[in-house]
Amino acid sequence: GENVEQHPSTLSVQEGDSAVIKCTYSDSASNYFPWYKQELGKRPQLIIDIRSNVGEKKDQRIAVTLNKTAKHFSLHITETQPEDSAVYFCAAPYQAGTALIFGKGTTLSVSS
Amino acid sequence: SQTIHQWPATLVQPVGSPLSLECTVEGTSNPNLYWYRQAAGRGLQLLFYSVGIGQISSEVPQNLSASRPQDRQFILSSKKLLLSDSGFYLCAWSALAGGNNEQFFGPGTRLTVL
Repeated sequence: GENVEQHPSTLSVQEGDSAVIKCTYSDSASNYFPWYKQELGKRPQLIIDIRSNVGEKKDQRIAVTLNKTAKHFSLHITETQPEDSAVYFCAAPYQAGTALIFGKGTTLSVSS
Repeated sequence: SQTIHQWPATLVQPVGSPLSLECTVEGTSNPNLYWYRQAAGRGLQLLFYSVGIGQISSEVPQNLSASRPQDRQFILSSKKLLLSDSGFYLCAWSALAGGNNEQFFGPGTRLTVL
């Protein structure tokens, strides 16, 4: 079955810096890779996702890259702001796409 | 539009007591439904998922169970709670296969077992 590893577990940056979070997966058949953001005490929400037919996807300050050969994908946040502070989760398909398996999360702290 | 509800929002229960958490979805039919647990400072652990009424898949051996008595209702239960059952329980739904499409999370239930 699918296994998702995420690192780092914590990341502290200064406002305006870039942040990168990386995930690896084990099932070469996986073809959908979402990223969720969870603010303190709130529910996780999808911020960006990528499918295996593309290598990169951008949405304003957020981008995700996918390397299917190496089986890893990354979240890139540029020009970080204090409101980017949250826990970020990557995920990959599980059980033939019926469910998702999540990474253990990265706590991002952006200081001003 | 679709909405997902969970209740209660918070719960404090003694060890050995039973548990029932409810999740309902509005505005969609035949959703895929999921239960996750998030322990303090931990990731999202998939507990159960359901692709239809009465169809439950369990991911982690534990003293919890799930049921789906109606199309848009998902219930998480326990006969006897353990201290390790404390955590933030999140229900989620997806319109299509949740492993290949966006999942929408409910507001969660914060459970403390004393």
